[in-house]
Amino acid sequence: QQQVKQSPQSLIVQKGGIPIINCAYENTAFDYFPWYQQFPGKGPALLIAIRPDVSEKKEGRFTISFNKSAKQFSLHIMDSQPGDSATYFCAARISQGAQKLVFGQGTRLTINP
Amino acid sequence: GAVVSQHPSWVICKSGTSVKIECRSLDFQATTMFWYRQFPKQSLMLMATSNEGSKATYEQGVEKDKFLINHASLTLSTLTVTSAHPEDSSFYICSASRGGRSNQPQHFGDGTRLSIL
Repeated sequence: QQQVKQSPQSLIVQKGGIPIINCAYENTAFDYFPWYQQFPGKGPALLIAIRPDVSEKKEGRFTISFNKSAKQFSLHIMDSQPGDSATYFCAARISQGAQKLVFGQGTRLTINP
Repeated sequence: GAVVSQHPSWVICKSGTSVKIECRSLDFQATTMFWYRQFPKQSLMLMATSNEGSKATYEQGVEKDKFLINHASLTLSTLTVTSAHPEDSSFYICSASRGGRSNQPQHFGDGTRLSIL
């Protein structure tokens, strides 16, 4: 019940395309859902985050869509660029208590020029 | 803002030695720091949560005598891998969260690649 399931494991998209990465969770106590971007040899960097009281959040070229009833959320990258090639992790957290993040398995995204 | 620095970024040492990794929040006070381990092409696995001035809380299966965590100040936490062996080789990443209000995001360091020969 503490898991966050992420798909696909890897994704290849042409430049300008819109890659979509999906995550699903079971624990309805999760109330904060961030996305992280990680380049090889670096730590994850926070991209964008959403709370379950909104269905969509956009920051620049990154958009999170959130479906509370389905317990699913997804990341869309508009006008993708080769520089967006990285591993993306979704995560979920319960904001009370220890506030530990539960990470998805990660998606290795490649944007071809 | 919200910069987290980890040191060293890469360390190679002989089996049986102990290795200390530092995690510093450079521009904010971090009430809570987290330590993760990441194997190649895998996700981050939480090892322990540390709060300033108190003992760390370890995740199930993580040996607290093997991975010593100290969070002595609001800007510094250390992870010491004691008597390291080749199976301890991994990418260790810390993160830090501001104190005060809840719902603070975690900010990650750039990780430490540990190689035990």
